[in-house]
Amino acid sequence: GAGVSQSPSNKVTEKGKDVELRCDPISGHTALYWYRQRLGQGLEFLIYFQGNSAPDKSGLPSDRFSAERTGESVSTLTIQRTQQEDSAVYLCASSMTGGGGYTFGSGTRLTVV
Amino acid sequence: GIQVEQSPPDLILQEGANSTLRCNFSDSVNNLQWFHQNPWGQLINLFYIPSGTKQNGRLSATTVATERYSLLYISSSQTTDSGVYFCAVGSNDMRFGAGTRLTVKP
Repeated sequence: GAGVSQSPSNKVTEKGKDVELRCDPISGHTALYWYRQRLGQGLEFLIYFQGNSAPDKSGLPSDRFSAERTGESVSTLTIQRTQQEDSAVYLCASSMTGGGGYTFGSGTRLTVV
Repeated sequence: GIQVEQSPPDLILQEGANSTLRCNFSDSVNNLQWFHQNPWGQLINLFYIPSGTKQNGRLSATTVATERYSLLYISSSQTTDSGVYFCAVGSNDMRFGAGTRLTVKP
């Protein structure tokens, strides 16, 4: 597509439920990144996918967080047993190669109540 | 991991003024980007600038990789320049600074 697409744009969930966030990168972009941004804060790196290589998961904050990517297309970020501190905007970006210029999606605003 | 420091944290300007934002980083990198996050939260890539100088309209950026800093210049600021400016550095995946919050008053 023309840009990076994220869905849903907003998600309200009850504490303890699982959520799935989706990212559709720009077609042809081999690299995909997930970041988290809490209110009024900077961006916190979560995970990086590059082609068919093993992902860099070093930023995932706990084992409740996981992400998958099918080839060089869609990625899904899953948060299990959500907690209130998971409330944030989750941003996805893609780039043509690892280390290239990023294009960000509009984000998913997650609220855990 | 790599440390990224941005200054100033907050900046208030009158429309038409010029400004310089700074990004210092703690290690050698081969990727540095500047982003603008508008008041609606959208992040826009301003520059991909691991070294050298680039200009785009009223904005320009310079990175001195050997001294581990980058500067973003905004000239003749407009109210639409308001928002948060982030510097991000790294190799493949990037680490973001805390940002400079710019407010341009009419």
